[in-house]
Amino acid sequence: KQEVTQIPAALSVPEGENLVLNCSFTDSAIYNLQWFRQDPGKGLTSLLLIQSSQREQTSGRLNASLDKSSGRSTLYIAASQPGDSATYLCAVYNNNDMRFGAGTRLTVKP
Amino acid sequence: DGGITQSPKYLFRKEGQNVTLSCEQNLNHDAMYWYRQDPGQGLRLIYYSQIVNDFQKGDIAEGYSVSREKKESFPLTVTSAQKNPTAFYLCASSVTQGSSYEQYFGPGTRLTVT
Repeated sequence: KQEVTQIPAALSVPEGENLVLNCSFTDSAIYNLQWFRQDPGKGLTSLLLIQSSQREQTSGRLNASLDKSSGRSTLYIAASQPGDSATYLCAVYNNNDMRFGAGTRLTVKP
Repeated sequence: DGGITQSPKYLFRKEGQNVTLSCEQNLNHDAMYWYRQDPGQGLRLIYYSQIVNDFQKGDIAEGYSVSREKKESFPLTVTSAQKNPTAFYLCASSVTQGSSYEQYFGPGTRLTVT
């Protein structure tokens, strides 16, 4: 059974720092990996989706990488801003089954 | 605007009552999903449906029921048999044929049962 782990559970950084969020999964047989952002009390907003054949995806200040063989993905946020404060979740999908990590709660201090 | 709507945003019920959560999408997506989110945990799949009039149980279907009579709608009923119904419920949808299977989420419904 696929298990997804996100470390750290919480992270606090000063504004302007570059940072990396980590996601690991136990079964490399995935169709895709998706990174989401969740603000308190809200739904999930899709940030980036990486297909299993891809190594990375970029959107603005965000860059997500995927290493299927090692069961890892990272989300890189450049020049962090207070508006980036949220919980970031990763999820892996295969055969109608999507598994989520518990998320990393990010706080960017002004 | 295309998207997923869930209503209501907050729902309060007494123990022993059934309650139905609404989920509507105008994205023309075939597949729809219901997840439950508890503090400090990842989302867990309750039910999913890939086509009208068909749905499958997820990991935690006990105490829940769904219907899929229309492509746009996938309501979830939390029955009195669900032992711990208080949670944040999220609905999602995705395309299925020849696609990335990217999931799009609604704003969620917070259910409190006392």
